[in-house]
Amino acid sequence: GAVVSQHPSWVICKSGTSVKIECRSLDFQATTMFWYRQFPKQSLMLMATSNEGSKATYEQGVEKDKFLINHASLTLSTLTVTSAHPEDSSFYICSATPASGLDNEQFFGPGTRLTVL
Amino acid sequence: SQKIEQNSEALNIQEGKTATLTCNYTNYSPAYLQWYRQDPGRGPVFLLLIRENEKEKRKERLKVTFDTTLKQSLFHITASQPADSATYLCALGSTGRRALTFGSGTRLQVQP
Repeated sequence: GAVVSQHPSWVICKSGTSVKIECRSLDFQATTMFWYRQFPKQSLMLMATSNEGSKATYEQGVEKDKFLINHASLTLSTLTVTSAHPEDSSFYICSATPASGLDNEQFFGPGTRLTVL
Repeated sequence: SQKIEQNSEALNIQEGKTATLTCNYTNYSPAYLQWYRQDPGRGPVFLLLIRENEKEKRKERLKVTFDTTLKQSLFHITASQPADSATYLCALGSTGRRALTFGSGTRLQVQP
């Protein structure tokens, strides 16, 4: 149980285009989902906390107008990178917290590799 | 500012030996600490959680210790195998904040 999927697993796009990444909890309902970004050989950096039915909470330094997050249902959160630029190239990983689980249970998706040309 | 340090240099050990990885933190009072395994190009996979009032936790060949005085956690893999080769991340969590703060990870390489 507790599987989180991401789609796509990798994407290459041109500079200036927008890219949408989906995060789904497959066998549980997630009241909270998190979006992280990871650059090569670096730590996972939290970008935002996504709560179902409400606005996302962004970490300091993360542009909310550039990284649009929608958590419209208990099993789906989306991250849209708008007007992507090469510096946005990174590994984006989501995690989900079960609605019925312990506060500190998090299950991670497999990640999405974004390359902006 | 909060800081989590893991040895950035890769740890190379022989198969069958015990691998010990270190996680140190400063300016933080975590309610719990977690260890994850991450393979290249993949998301982290949860291994163990230890709470602030626990000293040690075991799961099969894995053992985690948590010293809140030293602000340090040690992660041990006994009887290591080449399949244990991966990057291991520690992550700290606080009561009331579900998001985790991650260290940068230590790469473990187990030689056959």
